[in-house]
Amino acid sequence: SAVISQKPSRDICQRGTSLTIQCQVDSQVTMMFWYRQQPGQSLTLIATANQGSEATYESGFVIDKFPISRPNLTFSTLTVSNLSPEDSSIYLCSVVHATGISDTQYFGPGTRLTVL
Amino acid sequence: AQSVAQPEDQVNVAEGNPLTVKCTYSVSGNPYLFWYVQYPNRGLQFLLKYITGDNLVKGSYGFEAEFNKSQTSFHLKKPSALVSDSALYFCAVRDNYGQNFVFGPGTRLSVLP
Repeated sequence: SAVISQKPSRDICQRGTSLTIQCQVDSQVTMMFWYRQQPGQSLTLIATANQGSEATYESGFVIDKFPISRPNLTFSTLTVSNLSPEDSSIYLCSVVHATGISDTQYFGPGTRLTVL
Repeated sequence: AQSVAQPEDQVNVAEGNPLTVKCTYSVSGNPYLFWYVQYPNRGLQFLLKYITGDNLVKGSYGFEAEFNKSQTSFHLKKPSALVSDSALYFCAVRDNYGQNFVFGPGTRLSVLP
């Protein structure tokens, strides 16, 4: 398994500002994912972040709004830019240790963002 | 493309009774199936997975799931529910070709004392 921490755990931000969320893993991992989850709802994949390459964004998500960094195999950041109330959500970091198709995906505790 | 359905938004069960949370899937190749649980204000926790072999998979906290290829289902079960099992449960699938996991909409389980 993997132990994943996220900072901050929650934040309240003003419209038009940005929030950067950090994800730290206790071991080196190949694949990292960023998800968005409305409380009590399912997960929506924002992007896949692999070290040494550009993040791959899902339909409906763009780099200008959600820039991602992946400087090494244990760390990633997601920035939510130009915040609006519609960005209020829980943001989850997730990892897979290796590229084996049967490998399990593990999740961080999430960052709860409220935009006023 | 992969997809996952969890036909019940909410499942209510009395403590001590058996519980079932349903999941059906659609994939192009061999399915790799996962169950996760999410407690309030927490991230998702891995419960169990089916890769190959025995159709009955045992996981954490006394949960098990049965893979049924003909019905394309992977229902989560527990013989005796606890109040502490009350949470949001997600089924997920990955196939031979996909890099990503596809999650179902989630089922909220309430175990009543």
